Amino acid sequence: AQSVTQLDSQVPVFEEAPVELRCNYSSSVSVYLFWYVQYPNQGLQLLLKYLSGSTLVKGINGFEAEFNKSQTSFHLRKPSVHISDTAEYFCAVTRNTGTASKLTFGTGTRLQVTL
Amino acid sequence: GAGVSQSPRYKVAKRGQDVALRCDPISGHVSLFWYQQALGQGPEFLTYFQNEAQLDKSGLPSDRFFAERPEGSVSTLKIQRTQQEDSAVYLCASSISGTSGVVRDTQYFGPGTRLTVL
Repeated sequence: AQSVTQLDSQVPVFEEAPVELRCNYSSSVSVYLFWYVQYPNQGLQLLLKYLSGSTLVKGINGFEAEFNKSQTSFHLRKPSVHISDTAEYFCAVTRNTGTASKLTFGTGTRLQVTL
Repeated sequence: GAGVSQSPRYKVAKRGQDVALRCDPISGHVSLFWYQQALGQGPEFLTYFQNEAQLDKSGLPSDRFFAERPEGSVSTLKIQRTQQEDSAVYLCASSISGTSGVVRDTQYFGPGTRLTVL
């Protein structure tokens, strides 16, 4: 089984400041890792994903994340946030096997960007 | 529209009523997932279809929950005798393939159906 921990339930930050949203995971098998963003009253939108290869992955809207296998982490970063980045962010994992499998999500981090 | 669509977007039911939630996946997507998202929580897996076959229903919380995808495209999640604890957003997601792979494993989500049980 897999599990995901997002320790920060809320992260307040000023516009144009950098931000890091933390994600740690636990799994007995190899996994794929994802970050999704959810705007109010909307579904989940994929920000980025790590499947294999380079441990630094770049996504949409200027976000990037780094996979660290030894620390079992996949933290999300953005060097300069915008008001429009205010949303809920979810880290998720799925097992890397031969068939499609369910996503296991963390409890989410609310990013609140203010002027 | 090329995305996943869900209907209705909002549903209010009295306790004990049956409800049916519909999901239209992206055309051609083989895999379809249902998730339940309680207020302030992350989505939790309910069930998974590969074409019309329900391969995993381990997340369904009780036998009041039933899902089907009879022709391998549209799916319906049915909840019988709704209870207040069923109040949540129900999310549907689809992915192009049944095989885990570089691009194909990405799940695309619909906007969800917000169910409120009074």
